[in-house]
Amino acid sequence: DIQMTQSPSSLSASVGDRVTITCRASQSISSYLNWYQQKPGKAPKLLIYAASSLQSGVPSRFSGSGSGTDFTLTISSLQPEDFATYYCQQSYSTPRITFGPGTKVDIK
Amino acid sequence: QLQLQESGPGLVKPSETLSLTCTVSGGSISSSSYYWGWIRQPPGKGLEWIGSIYYSGSTYYNPSLKSRVTISVDTSKNQFSLKLSSVTAADTAVYYCASTSLVATIPHFDYWGQGTLVTVSS
Repeated sequence: DIQMTQSPSSLSASVGDRVTITCRASQSISSYLNWYQQKPGKAPKLLIYAASSLQSGVPSRFSGSGSGTDFTLTISSLQPEDFATYYCQQSYSTPRITFGPGTKVDIK
Repeated sequence: QLQLQESGPGLVKPSETLSLTCTVSGGSISSSSYYWGWIRQPPGKGLEWIGSIYYSGSTYYNPSLKSRVTISVDTSKNQFSLKLSSVTAADTAVYYCASTSLVATIPHFDYWGQGTLVTVSS
């Protein structure tokens, strides 16, 4: 099975900050990497697919990069509505997918 | 666009079988463009993929749950279902159904149900 790790597990940031979250796969997954945002009590929402493609309707302050085993999600200027938990997910072995453990972004 | 809605008991006794159904609207569950899956999230914890099914009936399960999970599809009702046997308190979670798009460049979960909390308790 492909294992996913994320760092940090949590971070505190201020509105306007640039935030970077890292995701690592236990083996190469090419660009088969998606990012989701989840707010309390809500289902996850797709932000980025194929490592760097922005889902329709998602603000351009979100961006993704990477390939192989190392990936990043960047929020260029953190907004109040961005405080949430972010999960990476590999789809290289679809339908046997795995999620990362999540990164919680909260207010400093 | 697709809409998914979970339904089923919110309380299950230990050792019994958890049963949930996901009703799909806005599209056909017989579409070859999707896998249909279940994901769960224990309170305060992360997301765990339980398993997925293709319209043909082919199933794929998380190895850690495989011995207790059955996912089935009912094309006549546009529904797919989850059964998890021999539940314990560790199975208490919000259970989501979701669709995996196979049309996109890279498969991803594009539509999700709202989630349903299932508590395992006597």
